[in-house]
Amino acid sequence: GENVEQHPSTLSVQEGDSAVIKCTYSDSASNYFPWYKQELGKRPQLIIDIRSNVGEKKDQRIAVTLNKTAKHFSLHITETQPEDSAVYFCAATHTGGFKTIFGAGTRLFVKA
Amino acid sequence: GAVVSQHPSWVICKSGTSVKIECRSLDFQATTMFWYRQFPKQSLMLMATSNEGSKATYEQGVEKDKFLINHASLTLSTLTVTSAHPEDSSFYICSALDTSSYNEQFFGPGTRLTVL
Repeated sequence: GENVEQHPSTLSVQEGDSAVIKCTYSDSASNYFPWYKQELGKRPQLIIDIRSNVGEKKDQRIAVTLNKTAKHFSLHITETQPEDSAVYFCAATHTGGFKTIFGAGTRLFVKA
Repeated sequence: GAVVSQHPSWVICKSGTSVKIECRSLDFQATTMFWYRQFPKQSLMLMATSNEGSKATYEQGVEKDKFLINHASLTLSTLTVTSAHPEDSSFYICSALDTSSYNEQFFGPGTRLTVL
């Protein structure tokens, strides 16, 4: 089955700096890679996603890159703000099989 | 985006009792829903895939007789934790697949279960 690894587990940055979170997946059949932000005690919120037919996607301060050959994808947050502090999860799934496997999560701290 | 509700949002029960958690898709029909469990400071672990009108598919290590799942309609799936024990205390989150929205998953707000 699919296995998703996520690094780092904790990331601390200064406000205004960039943050990068990296994930790898094992199942080459996976074709959809969402990223979620979860605040304490709340549901995960989809912040950006990428499909396997695209190498990069950007939405304002957030971007995601995908390297299908190497089976890794990354989340980039630029100009970080204190409200970006949360736990971020990457995930991998196949839209035909639907099951989504999550990475272990990255706790991001943005210091003002 | 689509809305998924969960009820109750939190529950405290005595060891040995059963607890039912409901997951509803409010503005779309969901043939597939998922149940996750999340322990403190950990990731979401998929417990089972719930398919409307058929038996749920459980992940390895999840006891199907302990975590009963029923998906009797296109908008409702229920998870019943039977004979709950303190180690079952966790945050349970459901999600529903919206096939009209590129199979995007929409998560419920979660249910915090505490077993005394």
